[in-house]
Amino acid sequence: AQRVTQPEKLLSVFKGAPVELKCNYSYSGSPELFWYVQYSRQRLQLLLRHISRESIKGFTADLNKGETSFHLKKPFAQEEDSAMYYCALTDSWGKLQFGAGTQVVVTP
Amino acid sequence: DAGVIQSPRHEVTEMGQEVTLRCKPISGHNSLFWYRQTMMRGLELLIYFNNNVPIDDSGMPEDRFSAKMPNASFSTLKIQPSEPRDSAVYFCASSETGANYGYTFGSGTRLTVV
Repeated sequence: AQRVTQPEKLLSVFKGAPVELKCNYSYSGSPELFWYVQYSRQRLQLLLRHISRESIKGFTADLNKGETSFHLKKPFAQEEDSAMYYCALTDSWGKLQFGAGTQVVVTP
Repeated sequence: DAGVIQSPRHEVTEMGQEVTLRCKPISGHNSLFWYRQTMMRGLELLIYFNNNVPIDDSGMPEDRFSAKMPNASFSTLKIQPSEPRDSAVYFCASSETGANYGYTFGSGTRLTVV
């Protein structure tokens, strides 16, 4: 069965410090992986897709099939990065399954 | 494009009442998803449609919940009768089939059942 695991419920970092959000997955096929962000009381927004290998708002994520991980990283956290972050995986039907989410709090 | 549109944004209702949540997906998207978000359980997929046909409703918690998609531009999620434990934010999302581009989410409906 497919599963997305985000081991950290809360991540508190200082402004300017690096931040890394962990995501591990289990999936029998070739996964399509995403990171979504949800700012306070707003809609979920797509942040990154692994297939596009893009950098959005300074965030990057690399798919490591050997470790079945898709960790999200940013070298210098900003206060506006405070939000809930969800790692997600789609199956062959396109059904998106989310991890439990990690709340990031960036303090000045 | 105005994105995925949900209504109402907020709904407060008494236990036992019927609640109907509405969603208009992005034009051209042929997959539509209903999610429920709570502090305790995070994001749960309730049901999803492809080309207006329900594909997987295994996430629908009880018979009190029902969802319809009468056409490509409209879907409803109905709870009858509502209970306090149904209080949550309900999100609708749409995508093109395959979702390689990810989903686009609506702003959600915050439901409070008292």
